[in-house]
Amino acid sequence: GAGVSQTPSNKVTEKGKYVELRCDPISGHTALYWYRQSLGQGPEFLIYFQGTGAADDSGLPNDRFFAVRPEGSVSTLKIQRTERGDSAVYLCASSPPPGQSSEQFFGPGTRLTVL
Amino acid sequence: AQSVTQLDSQVPVFEEAPVELRCNYSSSVSVYLFWYVQYPNQGLQLLLKYLSGSTLVKGINGFEAEFNKSQTSFHLRKPSVHISDTAEYFCAVTTYNFNKFYFGSGTKLNVKP
Repeated sequence: GAGVSQTPSNKVTEKGKYVELRCDPISGHTALYWYRQSLGQGPEFLIYFQGTGAADDSGLPNDRFFAVRPEGSVSTLKIQRTERGDSAVYLCASSPPPGQSSEQFFGPGTRLTVL
Repeated sequence: AQSVTQLDSQVPVFEEAPVELRCNYSSSVSVYLFWYVQYPNQGLQLLLKYLSGSTLVKGINGFEAEFNKSQTSFHLRKPSVHISDTAEYFCAVTTYNFNKFYFGSGTKLNVKP
């Protein structure tokens, strides 16, 4: 079956612009995570959804970052007034409902470059 | 909060030699531990995990890891590596509700012929 997909695969933008990054999780997966991976680092947690609600958004670095998952499936990570320091690979992962499996399935990521 | 330390950023090793990739964690509560692998130009995939039970966990591709609570470690081992094991390996930790995962900075395993 289809895995986690993320679009676009690459995004180049200018400082100060607004960007949206999309994640399509595996069908039936209720949990969805966003991570940011900077060069030479491991994934850094941003936000976790269980269904439609953000169960934990403590990893969002500031109020320029926001994520939604209105129907409990597709999620969009939104970054306002982008800064050069936002340049990174943004990863999305999904997991089955609680009790079925603890494995996260990762997407290929969106590489964001802020000029 | 939890944290993960991977002490070695790069590990070079010859083919068919054994390897150990080190992972130490910090947490004030019980944890679940994971190893993920990222092959070149591919996404992260699960190698193995420790949730409970036997502290020696076996994963895919001949890898295994041992949970050591007293030393707060979860080192990854393979008795004989192949060229195809060349990849970056990440250790991760979470707690009972799986709300948040903390990843280490990764170890690049370079297997040489």
